[in-house]
Amino acid sequence: LAKTTQPISMDSYEGQEVNITCSHNNIATNDYITWYQQFPSQGPRFIIQGYKTKVTNEVASLFIPADRKSSTLSLPRVSLSDTAVYYCLIISSGSARQLTFGSGTQLTVLP
Amino acid sequence: GAGVSQTPSNKVTEKGKYVELRCDPISGHTALYWYRQSLGQGPEFLIYFQGTGAADDSGLPNDRFFAVRPEGSVSTLKIQRTERGDSAVYLCASSPRGREGLSNTGELFFGEGSRLTVL
Repeated sequence: LAKTTQPISMDSYEGQEVNITCSHNNIATNDYITWYQQFPSQGPRFIIQGYKTKVTNEVASLFIPADRKSSTLSLPRVSLSDTAVYYCLIISSGSARQLTFGSGTQLTVLP
Repeated sequence: GAGVSQTPSNKVTEKGKYVELRCDPISGHTALYWYRQSLGQGPEFLIYFQGTGAADDSGLPNDRFFAVRPEGSVSTLKIQRTERGDSAVYLCASSPRGREGLSNTGELFFGEGSRLTVL
């Protein structure tokens, strides 16, 4: 399984764009990159998934360079309610362990 | 219900006791997962069901842990002879497809978890 590395914590202010970068140097050809968000006392919630280049949905954008060894989750104009832990995961086909969570990035949005 | 439901939300027990945690997945979801989350850590995989069968139980820490899903819907995680180290939040997740489909969508739907405290 590809190992991921992401910052332990980040602070931001309301209204700013936040970019969280995840490194996954040994990602395999068939692997996908997925991000989850987790609020206190709740289960993780799927945000976005991508394979290459850029993916955008109503919540976030995911940027993946050509070598796919890293990815960046971009949250536009964050609000206080975006304070949460964000997990970067590598999806490998054929194994339920493909959802292997690291420790995530604690994002704190300040007023 | 609309989402994954887990009961109880909180369980306090004494060391050595037996505990059952229940998960009601989203209706129609064939895949069901159990995870365990300790404070400050990400969720840790325990077991995966496809239908009624445990397709992958390699994450169960030892033989005190067991899970069933007899009718392919509700699942129960059973912990025998609980230890203080078992204290954690136990998360259940479901998906409309099994792991073979997860290569192109990594979306699992998680419940709010059952917080287990072993005194």
